[in-house]
Amino acid sequence: DTEVTQTPKHLVMGMTNKKSLKCEQHMGHRAMYWYKQKAKKPPELMFVYSYEKLSINESVPSRFSPECPNSSLLNLHLHALQPEDSALYLCASSHVGRRLRDTEAFFGQGTRLTVV
Amino acid sequence: KQEVTQIPAALSVPEGENLVLNCSFTDSAIYNLQWFRQDPGKGLTSLLLIQSSQREQTSGRLNASLDKSSGRSTLYIAASQPGDSATYLCAVRHGNNRLAFGKGNQVVVIP
Repeated sequence: DTEVTQTPKHLVMGMTNKKSLKCEQHMGHRAMYWYKQKAKKPPELMFVYSYEKLSINESVPSRFSPECPNSSLLNLHLHALQPEDSALYLCASSHVGRRLRDTEAFFGQGTRLTVV
Repeated sequence: KQEVTQIPAALSVPEGENLVLNCSFTDSAIYNLQWFRQDPGKGLTSLLLIQSSQREQTSGRLNASLDKSSGRSTLYIAASQPGDSATYLCAVRHGNNRLAFGKGNQVVVIP
């Protein structure tokens, strides 16, 4: 099973709403990632969790709050977003450790977020 | 800073032709390189992973080469089909478990 599952697939939220994106994998991966992708652009890294601890935050605004409750789950909590935050949010996972050359990243299908 | 460039940005080919997609990166200190496929509005599907010590990797009609010293990778897709129409992204894994992406090659295969 090489599947990363993201829910919901689509989300429309107002600027005052609070919502959460969810990501789940059962491949035993201990690194999980959030990426943001705007139309016709490559994915941009937002956060990396390694062994359930936040290891990289790419200077993401605090209205995005990640959480990794266990080794299989990754959440992204959203609050007071702006219309320019509308994008495809992708979750990914991979192994972590000394054998980084073997490390293959697997992505979910994404959540299409629209902020109105 | 690792920068990844993909050329051409877009291409159209008639069905049956071979596709050649190029990827270059500025820092040769990479762990591996991964090719992905992305359909419009969808997530990324991993196609091939080439370790930094490898020169080539094959899967079905797909073949990817890696020349780490010159900072280049090429993805070949043999006998293209309309179902191959998609955006192909190249990504290199470098320091601190980061993936650096190119902007993609947008491919249209014409029946």
